[in-house]
Amino acid sequence: DIQMTQSPSSVSASVGDRVTITCRASQPINTWLAWYQQKPGKAPKLLIYGASNLQDGVPSRFRGSGSGTDFTLIISTLQAEDVATYFCQHANSFPFTFGPGTKVEIK
Amino acid sequence: EVQLVESGGGLVQPGRSLRLSCATSGFMFSDHAMSWFRQAPGKGLEWLCFIRSNPYGGTTEYAPSVSGRFTISRDDSKRLAYLQMNSLRTEDTGVYYCARGATHASGWFDYWGQGALVTVSS
Repeated sequence: DIQMTQSPSSVSASVGDRVTITCRASQPINTWLAWYQQKPGKAPKLLIYGASNLQDGVPSRFRGSGSGTDFTLIISTLQAEDVATYFCQHANSFPFTFGPGTKVEIK
Repeated sequence: EVQLVESGGGLVQPGRSLRLSCATSGFMFSDHAMSWFRQAPGKGLEWLCFIRSNPYGGTTEYAPSVSGRFTISRDDSKRLAYLQMNSLRTEDTGVYYCARGATHASGWFDYWGQGALVTVSS
């Protein structure tokens, strides 16, 4: 199975700051990676698919990049409504697995 | 508007069975793969199983943790996906989500239900 790791596990930043979250796969997955946002008590929401494609309706301040084993999610200017936990998920092969999540808070 | 609504959750004793349903609307159900996920209390997301659309064979995939105990199925005429859970264990406790694959066999999931709580306890 492919293992996914994320760093940091949590980040506290000010509104307007740039936030960077990294995700690493235990073996190459090309660009078979998605990013999800989950707010407390809510279902996950797809932000990015194919490593860098912005899902319809997602603000352009969210940007994904990477291929192979190393991926990045950037929130270019953090907004209060971005407080959430962010998960990466690979879709290279079954079983799909998620990273452990990165909790983003406002400082 | 795309909607997915899970039902069938609740309290169940270890070793017993439970079936979750995922009612869908607002899209061509038969054109999309479907999947089930769960989230244990205070934990991360876990993918459980996947079913391709029928034009793509309707075949299924399972996580090792549930293979042989859980079964995913679909009824395109009713726009429903199901998760049959047998031999439940306390570690199966969590919120269960159904989600729509972005395409017939997609590994990304663009719409999710609100979740159904399953508690396995004696």
